[in-house]
Amino acid sequence: QSVLTQPPSVSGAPGQRVTISCTGSSSNIGAGYAVHWYQQLPGTAPRLLIYGNRNRPSGVPDRFSGSRSGPSASLAISGLQAEDEADYYCQSYDSSLSDWVFGGGTKLTVL
Amino acid sequence: QVQLQESGPGLVKPSETLSLTCTVSAYSITSGYNWGWIRQPPGKGLEWIGGIYHSGVTYYNPSLKSRVTISVDTSKNQFSLNLSSVTAADTAVYYCARCSCTSTSCFSDYWGQGTLVTVSA
Repeated sequence: QSVLTQPPSVSGAPGQRVTISCTGSSSNIGAGYAVHWYQQLPGTAPRLLIYGNRNRPSGVPDRFSGSRSGPSASLAISGLQAEDEADYYCQSYDSSLSDWVFGGGTKLTVL
Repeated sequence: QVQLQESGPGLVKPSETLSLTCTVSAYSITSGYNWGWIRQPPGKGLEWIGGIYHSGVTYYNPSLKSRVTISVDTSKNQFSLNLSSVTAADTAVYYCARCSCTSTSCFSDYWGQGTLVTVSA
């Protein structure tokens, strides 16, 4: 049971916009610790998608965007494509655990 | 392009020590950044194990701290993970990664491909 809660699954049709939530608490996201997002395609290593709440590394399409509000963060994917089907993880720091923590992951299905 | 590659035994016996090495290419580990280990049990999510700053300072997941040692070999541009007294619960894909960390933020921008380590007699 992670301290960062993500929905187990989300889905959307090609071209649609989906959002994945990452809900924390006052000891992590709510305390102002940055949130990062990773994409993990089947059978591959995670790939950094968003860092520092809303920044995209070079090479990540602007269809991916991140935001944070209070104790929660969100990853939005617009113009959904079949290649976006993957697992998505949020990450932050938790001061109560004194540890870098990941959310449980969300499986995105493109219908 | 920075590249990381994990190496080590794919099978470890219970109670023994899991040892993995990460070889870094196209970047000197002494030039900056931190270097970390993350694992993923089959079919499950990611778990942070720990890391080492370019200064040599280490930081570990509190739940694993008593069993984990991370070290650096600058002459080989490698860093290593030792996890002692392993059990079946330590069976996972182990990833090494380059990490950009501050006091309030730590993210991994380059990852190795991962190596599956199975703990079994």
